[in-house]
Amino acid sequence: DQQVKQNSPSLSVQEGRISILNCDYTNSMFDYFLWYKKYPAEGPTFLISISSIKDKNEDGRFTVFLNKSAKHLSLHIVPSQPGDSAVYFCAAEANAGNMLTFGGGTRLMVKP
Amino acid sequence: KAGVTQTPRYLIKTRGQQVTLSCSPISGHRSVSWYQQTPGQGLQFLFEYFSETQRNKGNFPGRFSGRQFSNSRSEMNVSTLELGDSALYLCASSPGTGRNTQYFGPGTRLTVL
Repeated sequence: DQQVKQNSPSLSVQEGRISILNCDYTNSMFDYFLWYKKYPAEGPTFLISISSIKDKNEDGRFTVFLNKSAKHLSLHIVPSQPGDSAVYFCAAEANAGNMLTFGGGTRLMVKP
Repeated sequence: KAGVTQTPRYLIKTRGQQVTLSCSPISGHRSVSWYQQTPGQGLQFLFEYFSETQRNKGNFPGRFSGRQFSNSRSEMNVSTLELGDSALYLCASSPGTGRNTQYFGPGTRLTVL
């Protein structure tokens, strides 16, 4: 039973355009959501997070949107750069439990 | 501030052997969590240690165990290795109290032959 799903295994975007990565979850107890970026053979790098009391959080080129009623979150990257090419994971946590549940990842390719 | 470090970075073992992986958290962080990444199952939570006590546990067999020392460094042990244990093992650290972000180390790539 996958509690966190990223339905698009890959996404290709032109440099300078917007990248939108999506994530759905089923567990209503999740109250904290994070996005990580990962290169092969490296650990995930934290990008941005959002608490369930908010519906939007921005950090530079990265914005995360949370729609609790739809149990859906998305990561927007504007403008996209070739260096953004990596696998992006969304993760969720319940009750400050320090136990992350990850989605399967989306491979983003930004073409120059 | 130095990041999370993991040793060794690469390991090759044979079936039936045991292995110990080490993780040093970011200075001041008291929580260390371990995750397994495989192509088939993705990133899965193994367990979390806080102040030398296991605080959370994922759905893995008892062959997977860990411990944490008084300086917050943590070790993970896998006994009686199976081929399916081949994976990237990641540890993450966080302050451990309240709501906080986990920061990951580079991982240990374990290959079981």
